[in-house]
Amino acid sequence: DQQVKQNSPSLSVQEGRISILNCDYTNSMFDYFLWYKKYPAEGPTFLISISSIKDKNEDGRFTVFLNKSAKHLSLHIVPSQPGDSAVYFCAAYHSGGYQKVTFGTGTKLQVIP
Amino acid sequence: EPEVTQTPSHQVTQMGQEVILRCVPISNHLYFYWYRQILGQKVEFLVSFYNNEISEKSEIFDDQFSVERPDGSNFTLKIRSTKLEDSAMYFCASRLGLGSNQPQHFGDGTRLSIL
Repeated sequence: DQQVKQNSPSLSVQEGRISILNCDYTNSMFDYFLWYKKYPAEGPTFLISISSIKDKNEDGRFTVFLNKSAKHLSLHIVPSQPGDSAVYFCAAYHSGGYQKVTFGTGTKLQVIP
Repeated sequence: EPEVTQTPSHQVTQMGQEVILRCVPISNHLYFYWYRQILGQKVEFLVSFYNNEISEKSEIFDDQFSVERPDGSNFTLKIRSTKLEDSAMYFCASRLGLGSNQPQHFGDGTRLSIL
């Protein structure tokens, strides 16, 4: 049951360049999308979200883009910093009910100094 | 910044034994969740809890699992008779409300190892 898919298990980027993490979803009921960041031995930390009525949301160095027709979203980090090295989870939920979050499998980002 | 805290960080238990994982959600939060992550797999929803009752549960959350909020601060997950396949990281999360600007906040997890 892969309702949220992250096809790239890992990504390496040079410090200062742009990191682009991609995510696809299949469930049309999802109307909120989130990105969580996870360091080893810690829980997921909320990073940024986007509603399905928008196609872009920006917060500092982080921008999330949503292409609803393609059921695709991406997280852009610019400029990338070594402290951004972590596993990034794409997640989604439907705003009805108690909003259980469905996660992707994660992409491990390494930012090389 | 307020945090969700989970104890213990690592629990080792013999198969067939009962285990209780503990969580202290952020104090004014109203919605509580348990998730788990088996090694190498994705984070999976187990159960949500609101107003002192289960609001939703996944097919993973069978009769061996139960949750409780025994007082105003703790939120526990009990596994009655553990199996080898229950070995995983268990994450507790809490949320103030269901607004779009109120995401779930996660604890650092309990690593459960069943021998």
